Amino acid sequence: QSVLTQPPSVSGAPGQRVTISCTGSSFNIGAGYHVHWYQQLPGAAPKLLIYAYTNRPSGVPDRFSGSKSGTSASLAITGLQAEDEADYYCQSYDNSLSGSVFGGGTKLTVL
Amino acid sequence: QVQLQESGPGLLKPSETLSLTCAVSGYSISSDYQWGWIRQPPGKGLQWIGSISRTGITSYNPSLQSRVTISIDTSKNQFSLKVTSVTAADTAVYYCATYGPYASGNDWFHPWGLGTLVTVSS
Repeated sequence: QSVLTQPPSVSGAPGQRVTISCTGSSFNIGAGYHVHWYQQLPGAAPKLLIYAYTNRPSGVPDRFSGSKSGTSASLAITGLQAEDEADYYCQSYDNSLSGSVFGGGTKLTVL
Repeated sequence: QVQLQESGPGLLKPSETLSLTCAVSGYSISSDYQWGWIRQPPGKGLQWIGSISRTGITSYNPSLQSRVTISIDTSKNQFSLKVTSVTAADTAVYYCATYGPYASGNDWFHPWGLGTLVTVSS
């Protein structure tokens, strides 16, 4: 059971918009700690996608965006492309565990 | 451009000690940032193992703390992971990553190494 909860899977057709939620608690997201998102393509290492809720590292398309609401965060992907098919993970800090925590991951399928 | 590369034995027997090293290039690890280890069992999600600062201050996942040691060698520009008394449950791809930039609870992992598979089997 992960400290941060994500849906196991989401899907969408090319060109559509999908969102992935990341739900935490008052010990992590609700305590004000930032949420970061990673994309893991099949067989590859995770790659930073969004940091500090809404910021994109250089080279990440603006089709990817992040947001926060209360004890949750969300990743939105617009204009879905086949190459977006991957696992997505959220990450934050938990002050009850005094360490970094990841969500369980969400598998995105492009139909 | 910072690059990280994990190395170490890929096959261990139960009860042995896992030892991995992460070599960092393109950046001096004594300059700034923290350095972390994350693992991923086959077909499963990511688990933070622990982190170390440039001055050697460590932080560990409570579920692994009794078996894990992370150390740093600034002269070789690398940091290391040891996990004692391994079992099949420790079978995973192990990643090292830069953890920063604030040295606070708002840090993220970037970039990551390619990862190395460690299998525990008798």
